[in-house]
Amino acid sequence: DQQVKQNSPSLSVQEGRISILNCDYTNSMFDYFLWYKKYPAEGPTFLISISSIKDKNEDGRFTVFLNKSAKHLSLHIVPSQPGDSAVYFCAASEGYAGGTSYGKLTFGQGTILTVHP
Amino acid sequence: NAGVTQTPKFRVLKTGQSMTLLCAQDMNHEYMYWYRQDPGMGLRLIHYSVGEGTTAKGEVPDGYNVSRLKKQNFLLGLESAAPSQTSVYFCASSYRQGSMTEAFFGQGTRLTVV
Repeated sequence: DQQVKQNSPSLSVQEGRISILNCDYTNSMFDYFLWYKKYPAEGPTFLISISSIKDKNEDGRFTVFLNKSAKHLSLHIVPSQPGDSAVYFCAASEGYAGGTSYGKLTFGQGTILTVHP
Repeated sequence: NAGVTQTPKFRVLKTGQSMTLLCAQDMNHEYMYWYRQDPGMGLRLIHYSVGEGTTAKGEVPDGYNVSRLKKQNFLLGLESAAPSQTSVYFCASSYRQGSMTEAFFGQGTRLTVV
């Protein structure tokens, strides 16, 4: 049972446009969400996160939106750049507020983003 | 500052052979993890540790053992490798809960079992 799902295996965007990556989850106990970026032959690197008490978090060109009622989050990249081409993983953790998650993450399948010049 | 370092980067094993993957972190993190990544599956947690001398099972622990004798090292062992263990393995570490929870990952170990 996949608790975190990224239903789009790939996304292609023109440079300068907005990239929107989506993620759905089923476990209502998840209270902390993260996005990781991964280049080939490298480990995932942290991009941005959001706790369940917020509905939006921004960091430069990256914004994450959380809709708890729909159990849905999205990552917006504006403007998209060719260097953003990578695999993006959505991840979730439960017990963040109570300190019981121990940082364990449940990942989605990933979305391959390609930004064309 | 090296962060999280995994050894080796690549390995080919024959079915039934054993091996140990080594993970070392220099950030004084309390928590460490082993994940595997398979096509279409994302990353799945194998085992984790919340401190020196402790280990716990994750989502897919069968066929693996781990040890954390020193705070900076987390070892993943395969006693009798099977083709189903062909995967890319990632080690990660993070601060104790309450400060930062973002995990830092190593570069990965690509393991093929033939």
